[in-house]
Amino acid sequence: AQTVTQSQPEMSVQEAETVTLSCTYDTSESDYYLFWYKQPPSRQMILVIRQEAYKQQNATENRFSVNFQKAAKSFSLKISDSQLGDAAMYFCAYRMNRDDKIIFGKGTRLHILP
Amino acid sequence: EADIYQTPRYLVIGTGKKITLECSQTMGHDKMYWYQQDPGMELHLIHYSYGVNSTEKGDLSSESTVSRIRTEHFPLTLESARPSHTSQYLCASSEVGRPGYTFGSGTRLTVV
Repeated sequence: AQTVTQSQPEMSVQEAETVTLSCTYDTSESDYYLFWYKQPPSRQMILVIRQEAYKQQNATENRFSVNFQKAAKSFSLKISDSQLGDAAMYFCAYRMNRDDKIIFGKGTRLHILP
Repeated sequence: EADIYQTPRYLVIGTGKKITLECSQTMGHDKMYWYQQDPGMELHLIHYSYGVNSTEKGDLSSESTVSRIRTEHFPLTLESARPSHTSQYLCASSEVGRPGYTFGSGTRLTVV
């Protein structure tokens, strides 16, 4: 069975600094998708970034980028120039290519220190 | 604007009451999902639907039931609410060929 592990329950970063959230996953599939979702307090969960496993190039979205290491089954999220609005729960997630159901990690709560 | 809507946003209800959590989307997505988010924030899939008149149970056993009579509507019902049902319930939908979900704002249910 596929699993997603986020080993950092909470993290803090100074405003304007860079922070990296860790995620590892376990799968026997070769074709899949990985995601990072952001859930601000009492607000809607939104997709931050998506990575297709067959693409070697790491995905980037403005200040958000990933380090995808397929062999190591590692998928970390880097947030550059952290802003107060980045404070949220971040979930790493996995989806097989042949199934739409998404499996989520337990989340990392990110605090931004002014 | 195309989106996914959940009502109510917050609900406090007594034990034994029947409740329905509403979820509607205006994006024409065939696939819809219900997740239960526990106090530790972990997400568990409890129901999903890949189209009208198609519903399946998810990985976490739930006493709730769902229906999918119309593409845009995917309500979740608890026939007799219990304190153990206290949780946040998130509805999501996805589009064929576009991996990832669009989430609603959630319903925070408290059973007293």
